[in-house]
Amino acid sequence: ETGVTQTPRHLVMGMTNKKSLKCEQHLGHNAMYWYKQSAKKPLELMFVYSLEERVENNSVPSRFSPECPNSSHLFLHLHTLQPEDSALYLCASSQDPFSGNTIYFGEGSWLTVV
Amino acid sequence: DAKTTQPNSMESNEEEPVHLPCNHSTISGTDYIHWYRQLPSQGPEYVIHGLTSNVNNRMASLAIAEDRKSSTLILHRATLRDAAVYYCIPRRMDSSYKLIFGSGTRLLVRP
Repeated sequence: ETGVTQTPRHLVMGMTNKKSLKCEQHLGHNAMYWYKQSAKKPLELMFVYSLEERVENNSVPSRFSPECPNSSHLFLHLHTLQPEDSALYLCASSQDPFSGNTIYFGEGSWLTVV
Repeated sequence: DAKTTQPNSMESNEEEPVHLPCNHSTISGTDYIHWYRQLPSQGPEYVIHGLTSNVNNRMASLAIAEDRKSSTLILHRATLRDAAVYYCIPRRMDSSYKLIFGSGTRLLVRP
C-alpha cells in the first residue's frame, strides 16, 4: 500500500466508448502525475499537476483528457481511443514537483482498447 | 537529460548479494542518482538515491563512483520478493518531476 489508489484496476473499452480512470492519494501531497507504460517500452510521463494546475503536458493526444479537481484526486478521461493506447496507466504523487521528493506510484490501471 | 546504460537482465540466488550496475557518463554535477524498482504487476517504488557519497538504507546500499559516471545498487541478501525491474535515474533536483525511466535491469532471483 503506497497511499496512491487507482480505480479501476482493469478496464476494457471499445474505440467509441468514453471512460475515466480515477486516482486518489492519501499522502497530503501537492503534485500528481499520469504515466503510461506500454509493453516493451519505458514508462512515459503524460501529465503533471501541481496544486491542481497542469504544469506538464508531454505531447499527449487530445483523446486523453486529465482533470485534477483537488490535490487529492486526479482523473484521466478517455474517449475514442485506439488499440495502440492499450497499456498500464500509472498515477503517482509527490510532495511537490520541484524539490526532488520521492514519487509514490499507484498499482496502475490496465487498459485494453478493443 | 543524462543517458543511462544498464544490463537488460541479471540473475541471483536467494540470500546472496546482488550488485546492479549503472553507467551514467553524461551525468551533470547537479543530478542526483535515483533508483526505483518495479515489482511484477505493480507501480514503481523508490529504493534509494545519492549525490556523491555512498548511501545506505533499509532496502539497499548505493555505491557511487568517484567520478560519478557510474553507480551500483547493492542488495545485501536477495530475496524472492526482490525480483523486479530496477531503474537507475539521474534526476535534477530543480526540475525533478521529470523522472525519466529507461529500460532498467530485470533481476531474477533463484530459490
